[in-house]
Amino acid sequence: EPEVTQTPSHQVTQMGQEVILRCVPISNHLYFYWYRQILGQKVEFLVSFYNNEISEKSEIFDDQFSVERPDGSNFTLKIRSTKLEDSAMYFCASTQREGRNEQFFGPGTRLTVL
Amino acid sequence: DAKTTQPNSMESNEEEPVHLPCNHSTISGTDYIHWYRQLPSQGPEYVIHGLTSNVNNRMASLAIAEDRKSSTLILHRATLRDAAVYYCIPEKLGGSEKLVFGKGTKLTVNP
Repeated sequence: EPEVTQTPSHQVTQMGQEVILRCVPISNHLYFYWYRQILGQKVEFLVSFYNNEISEKSEIFDDQFSVERPDGSNFTLKIRSTKLEDSAMYFCASTQREGRNEQFFGPGTRLTVL
Repeated sequence: DAKTTQPNSMESNEEEPVHLPCNHSTISGTDYIHWYRQLPSQGPEYVIHGLTSNVNNRMASLAIAEDRKSSTLILHRATLRDAAVYYCIPEKLGGSEKLVFGKGTKLTVNP
C-alpha cells in the first residue's frame, strides 16, 4: 500500500540553525500539507501546497518557514532560524484531490531545538 | 470552522463495541464529517467520513444524526490496536481543505 514517508525521523539542532524536513508524498497525489504537534498538544495546520504554490498558511507559518517541491517527488519544509518553540513533531500529509478525500499522513519528524 | 465537542477520554474492553460521540452543532449543511485517529507516536490516520447517511468501512461505522449536529464513531469489536486518540473533524469547504484538529477522545482498550 502506498504511504507517505518522512526523513529524518528525528532531527536535533541548535537554536538559530536552519533545518530542512523532507517528505515523499504518495505519487499520484496533488495536494500537500505540513502540520505540527507540540508535545502534549493538538495537531496544528501549518501550510498547504498545490500546483507548486502555497494555497493556504496558518499564523504559525511566518517568514521563517518555507516549503518547496524541488523535483516532483519530494516536498520539503525549511525553517530558516530555529527557535526553542519550534520543537515539535512535524507531519507531512498528501491527498489526491481537493475536498472530501482522506489525507494520508507520514510518520513524522521529531524536531528538537536546543 | 465548525466547533466540535468530544469527551476527553473513554475506556473499553477488548472485543467489546465502542461508541465514540462527537457534537458538531455548528456544522454547515454541506460539510462532511471526518474521523481520524492517532495511535501513540504515529501520525494521524483516516478512519471514515460521511455527509448524511450512515457509513461503514472495514475499520468502523459512522452514525450521523438526522439533524447532523452530532455523530458517533462505532468500533464494532475493539482491539488493543484501537487504543488511540480519535478526532472528529467537520470539513471546511473550499480552499485546500486543511484539517482542524481538536483535542479528540483518548480511547483506552483494556485486555
